[in-house]
Amino acid sequence: DTGVSQDPRHKITKRGQNVTFRCDPISEHNRLYWYRQTLGQGPEFLTYFQNEAQLEKSRLLSDRFSAERPKGSFSTLEIQRTEQGDSAMYLCASSRRGGGVETQYFGPGTRLLVL
Amino acid sequence: AQSVTQLDSQVPVFEEAPVELRCNYSSSVSVYLFWYVQYPNQGLQLLLKYLSGSTLVKGINGFEAEFNKSQTSFHLRKPSVHISDTAEYFCAVSDLASGGSNYKLTFGKGTLLTVNP
Repeated sequence: DTGVSQDPRHKITKRGQNVTFRCDPISEHNRLYWYRQTLGQGPEFLTYFQNEAQLEKSRLLSDRFSAERPKGSFSTLEIQRTEQGDSAMYLCASSRRGGGVETQYFGPGTRLLVL
Repeated sequence: AQSVTQLDSQVPVFEEAPVELRCNYSSSVSVYLFWYVQYPNQGLQLLLKYLSGSTLVKGINGFEAEFNKSQTSFHLRKPSVHISDTAEYFCAVSDLASGGSNYKLTFGKGTLLTVNP
């Protein structure tokens, strides 16, 4: 169990550029979540995958955001045409289906700054 | 819809003093409750969780929390804090009101615990 990893840890970009983040969940965890955390706030749910299927997206996830999880392993979160309001910490979490409520294990996050 | 209120945004305490971080939730269905800790520039680490059963839940690092259904609260306590407990603490709730298998978490805004020598 090596934990959830995220790459990159930090990203600085200019407004209008596209960025992509990667999340590698704990091996054999079939559920994967993306959250966004802005300064002074708790994390907010963005989207959820069970295996490769994206089953729910938050209204926070505008059309500029897209997430994928090919083959049910790692996941990517892409933001197109970034805006200053996208600056935040993007957190990934994974959990293993166990027939009930499972513990979500969080990665270290990717901190995005849009200039 | 569910929501979580953490009543204190900052809690300063002295080392070895007891501490209580307050959390209230609202939900129309049965809930599962969690406390996570976040150290600077790191992700979230689970401290403890309440799923069912005994209302007093013990977690890591000497923390415990008590689920009170009538008061819709899940306050976090530690009898004696250390400098190393300085961090942001988040209360979270999960339910299946939306159906399916998505146990997404709804978080409070967090409480910054600062332990002073």
